[in-house]
Amino acid sequence: EDQVTQSPEALRLQEGESSSLNCSYTVSGLRGLFWYRQDPGKGPEFLFTLYSAGEEKEKERLKATLTKKESFLHITAPKPEDSATYLCAVQDTGGFKTIFGAGTRLFVKA
Amino acid sequence: ETGVTQSPTHLIKTRGQQVTLRCSSQSGHNTVSWYQQALGQGPQFIFQYYREEENGRGNFPPRFSGLQFPNYSSELNVNALELDDSALYLCASTTGGGLQETQYFGPGTRLLVL
Repeated sequence: EDQVTQSPEALRLQEGESSSLNCSYTVSGLRGLFWYRQDPGKGPEFLFTLYSAGEEKEKERLKATLTKKESFLHITAPKPEDSATYLCAVQDTGGFKTIFGAGTRLFVKA
Repeated sequence: ETGVTQSPTHLIKTRGQQVTLRCSSQSGHNTVSWYQQALGQGPQFIFQYYREEENGRGNFPPRFSGLQFPNYSSELNVNALELDDSALYLCASTTGGGLQETQYFGPGTRLLVL
């Protein structure tokens, strides 16, 4: 059965303190792995899609990487406005079902 | 802004009632998915519609049903509401298919069942 596990559940950082969020996944055939940001009371906001092992994508202070079993979201020199829940999701080759992890709640203190 | 809107933003119902939630997608987005997100959890896939037909369903009972219309709008209907149905309901639309596929989420409808 397809499964996504994110760690840690919560992460508290000081402004400028770089770190990484982990997403481990099990899927019969990976069509794509997605990262989203979600602010309280709002819908998820798309960040990245990764399709194959070795792929990397960057956006401002965020960089996403993918292996055959996990993905990392690296946050470099975070700012308080980066505080949010970061969700990882996978879509299998069937293409119609997206499985989300429970998310990592990131708190960045000034 | 994702161009995906949902209504209403908040809703309170009592157990046993029926509810209809609405979503309006971007023009050209012919695939829409609905998700249920409980507090502190990730979204759970309910079902997906492509060109007005259901083409995938998660582990939700038949009392969860949907419709998609030619004007890129869609509905989620829930019958016989239970207390555990209290959650944020999200719709997401996409152009469907290909390497550029990305889901664009609406802001959600917060449903409270008393």
